[in-house]
Amino acid sequence: DAGITQSPRHKVTETGTPVTLRCHQTENHRYMYWYRQDPGHGLRLIHYSYGVKDTDKGEVSDGYSVSRSKTEDFLLTLESATSSQTSVYFCAISGNRGSDNEQFFGPGTRLTVL
Amino acid sequence: ILNVEQSPQSLHVQEGDSTNFTCSFPSSNFYALHWYRWETAKSPEALFVMTLNGDEKKKGRISATLNTKEGYSYLYIKGSQPEDSATYLCAFKGSSNTGKLIFGQGTTLQVKP
Repeated sequence: DAGITQSPRHKVTETGTPVTLRCHQTENHRYMYWYRQDPGHGLRLIHYSYGVKDTDKGEVSDGYSVSRSKTEDFLLTLESATSSQTSVYFCAISGNRGSDNEQFFGPGTRLTVL
Repeated sequence: ILNVEQSPQSLHVQEGDSTNFTCSFPSSNFYALHWYRWETAKSPEALFVMTLNGDEKKKGRISATLNTKEGYSYLYIKGSQPEDSATYLCAFKGSSNTGKLIFGQGTTLQVKP
């Protein structure tokens, strides 16, 4: 298995609170991604990173920010969580050729916003 | 907005049946097409990455074909087994320098013993 972990694995929080999810890789891969999984929508890209301090928006980026200060860590922050952000969040990594390479997915984080 | 469509949405077959699903994607600015297998309570795992028109890839009983000119890919499973039960996702990358993939909604396969 690719060395990719997510923390926490489960979180329950209240509307309006900030939440940070962490993705950690040991593969030294250049590309890292955050997706959310919702019924009827499959996987939707929130943000991705193509290098340290280099990030770009995905299709559902509103309400989310990211940071990548070192190769191995990619943080996803919900500044003020809303109930619509209740979802399962997956981190993924891929090698230096970007989408020529397959993506490896982390185990997912289940977030519930009450 | 790029659309990646998969059909059917779900499929129930008997053990031993062969089956196939379709992924439709924009035929212009094609760069790569990925297939992933996603078992319940697990993470998606890559099956194939396809980049050339006419590409055919095979892994055991699962194979895939690619037609970039008309914008579709087929995934075939020969002699389905209960362990093939999963959601199969395709993902499209257009020809740009970004690393973004656009995923379809998936086809959920249930194989009955």
